[in-house]
Amino acid sequence: EVQLVQSGAEVKKPGESLKISCKGSGYIFTSYWIGWVRQMPGKGLEWMGIIYPGDSDTRYSPSFQGQVTISADKSISTAYLQWSSLKASDTAMYYCARLSPQGSYNYGDQWGQGTLVTVSS
Amino acid sequence: EIVMTQSPATLSVSPGEWATLSCRASQSITHNLAWYQQKPGQAPRLLIYGTSTRATGIPARFSGSGSGTEFTLTISSLQSEDFAIYYCQQYNNWPRTFGQGTKLEIK
Repeated sequence: EVQLVQSGAEVKKPGESLKISCKGSGYIFTSYWIGWVRQMPGKGLEWMGIIYPGDSDTRYSPSFQGQVTISADKSISTAYLQWSSLKASDTAMYYCARLSPQGSYNYGDQWGQGTLVTVSS
Repeated sequence: EIVMTQSPATLSVSPGEWATLSCRASQSITHNLAWYQQKPGQAPRLLIYGTSTRATGIPARFSGSGSGTEFTLTISSLQSEDFAIYYCQQYNNWPRTFGQGTKLEIK
C-alpha cells in the first residue's frame, strides 16, 4: 500500500525556523516526484514546489521561490519542506503528494495527511 | 502562469440529482487536467486525470470532459458522501495551478 506519512502539527513563533517531513512507503520513492501544497485557513490549494528524490531535482512555483526550501533524503524515503524564518502568514495546512505518472510531475495521486503549521507570537 | 477559474463557487444540489462543475483555463491546456475532491479535515483525493480518466477506485458516477480551455466534472446520482469541495488542476505548464474550488452542498 502506498503511503505518505507527514510529521505532526507545529506551533512556532515568527522568525523561528522549521522543517516538516513526508515519509513515503509502499513504492519506489526515488522514481516519483513529491510535491508540497499549501492550504491557508479556509482557502484553496496552492502548489509550492516539487522534488525528484532520485536526483534531488527541485522546482519551485514563483510565489514560493526563495520563501521555502524543499529537500529529500532518499536513504530514508523522506521529503522535507523548510522555512528559515517563519511569518504569521505561513500559518496553514501543508500537504505532500506523490506525483504521477512515474517520472513526471502532473497530478497528485497519493497524499499525506497534512501538517498544520501555526505561527503566532 | 495559467489561471484556472471554477464555477460556480457554490452549487446546491439534492441527493440523487446530477451536478455539473465547470473549470476554465486562461490558455489552452489540451487535455492536461485533473480533478480532486476534498472533504472537511481531509487531504485532497484524486478523482480524474487526463480530463476524463477516473483514478483507481473512483465510482463511475464521476465523469470528466472537455479540452483546450473548458472542462466539466459531472457527478450523476449524487450520494451523501459526494458533498465536498472540488478542485481542478492543470498540468500543462509549470507552475501547476489549481482552480479556487467549487463547494458542492446539499440542497
